[in-house]
Amino acid sequence: EDQVTQSPEALRLQEGESSSLNCSYTVSGLRGLFWYRQDPGKGPEFLFTLYSAGEEKEKERLKATLTKKESFLHITAPKPEDSATYLCAVQAGLGANSKLTFGKGITLSVRP
Amino acid sequence: EAGVTQFPSHSVIEKGQTVTLRCDPISGHDNLYWYRRVMGKEIKFLLHFVKESKQDESGMPNNRFLAERTGGTYSTLKVQPAELEDSGVYFCASSQARVVDEQYFGPGTRLTVT
Repeated sequence: EDQVTQSPEALRLQEGESSSLNCSYTVSGLRGLFWYRQDPGKGPEFLFTLYSAGEEKEKERLKATLTKKESFLHITAPKPEDSATYLCAVQAGLGANSKLTFGKGITLSVRP
Repeated sequence: EAGVTQFPSHSVIEKGQTVTLRCDPISGHDNLYWYRRVMGKEIKFLLHFVKESKQDESGMPNNRFLAERTGGTYSTLKVQPAELEDSGVYFCASSQARVVDEQYFGPGTRLTVT
């Protein structure tokens, strides 16, 4: 069974204090790893897809990286508006199975 | 481009009643998914439509849940009769038909069963 574990559960940062969020996964045949951002009362908002180990993607202050066992979401000089829950999900297996398996998420709070 | 929409945003019903949730995917997206998050747990897959056909319904908890997607456009998820453990946030997502597809989520329907 596919498993996704995110750590830490919650992270509090000072504005400008860079850090990384971790997503560890155990799957059979990774097809894609996804990062989403979720604000309170809203649905997950797509950020990145990573397909293979060594791949990196960037968007503003966020950078996502992927190895064969984990992914990191690096946040550089965060601002209060980066406060949200960050979700990691994997898509794995063969054929037409394309469901996402999610981790519990990491709640990030950035203080001004 | 309009995103995924869901209705209602919040529903409060009593145990034993019936509730129907609706999802309108992004126009042109053949894939439609239902997910659920119960309090304290991760978001979990319920089922997947490709156009009007059920591709994977392995996540449906039991036969009190019925999903339909007539005509391959919007989808409904009916819970009948509702139980207390059905409370949670139900998300719908849609994607284009690709091997690895980015799924775009709606705002969710918060279901409370009392």
